[in-house]
Amino acid sequence: NAGVTQTPKFRVLKTGQSMTLLCAQDMNHEYMYWYRQDPGMGLRLIHYSVGEGTTAKGEVPDGYNVSRLKKQNFLLGLESAAPSQTSVYFCASSHRDRSYEQYFGPGTRLTVT
Amino acid sequence: AQSVSQHNHHVILSEAASLELGCNYSYGGTVNLFWYVQYPGQHLQLLLKYFSGDPLVKGIKGFEAEFIKSKFSFNLRKPSVQWSDTAEYFCAVTRLYSGAGSYQLTFGKGTKLSVIP
Repeated sequence: NAGVTQTPKFRVLKTGQSMTLLCAQDMNHEYMYWYRQDPGMGLRLIHYSVGEGTTAKGEVPDGYNVSRLKKQNFLLGLESAAPSQTSVYFCASSHRDRSYEQYFGPGTRLTVT
Repeated sequence: AQSVSQHNHHVILSEAASLELGCNYSYGGTVNLFWYVQYPGQHLQLLLKYFSGDPLVKGIKGFEAEFIKSKFSFNLRKPSVQWSDTAEYFCAVTRLYSGAGSYQLTFGKGTKLSVIP
């Protein structure tokens, strides 16, 4: 199993540009999450999904949108990137009955100039 | 809202020294507690977890943590650290109940551990 994979690994955007981060998991997990990690801030939940076609806001959802069209994929979109969105983005997934045990992807380092 | 506090931002130890990283949480109900580790350039990995029962839990690589309910604490310990333990350590908590919040982990801000050979 590949576990949780993320593409791309690195990206540089200019202010105002848009992009989509892709997360894929092959563990048949129902739940998926997007976090951002900033120095001294730990991980903060952006959006999450409890199943295909269902998404919800986390702690810091502003400026991001998500979609879960397929169970194995969870997309994070930035419509108009801002320098404040420079961060490392982690995707995670978990089984519905063990939602507290999350498996993380390798992360995407995004820089917005 | 629940919160997690990690007392130390950066800890520097020599090899073979003992380690204790503090973690306190704010929620008063039943909780699940976790420690995650992030080695340089890698993603987060689960180090250990507490759900119920024996408050002293053992994880991988010789780490252990003690849950003290009266102090709302879940401190991470290791008797003798190695250079390979250099990493960032995150404490996390989630509440044990069925509902919208049960699957949301709240993370502390992390503690960087640097072990000097």
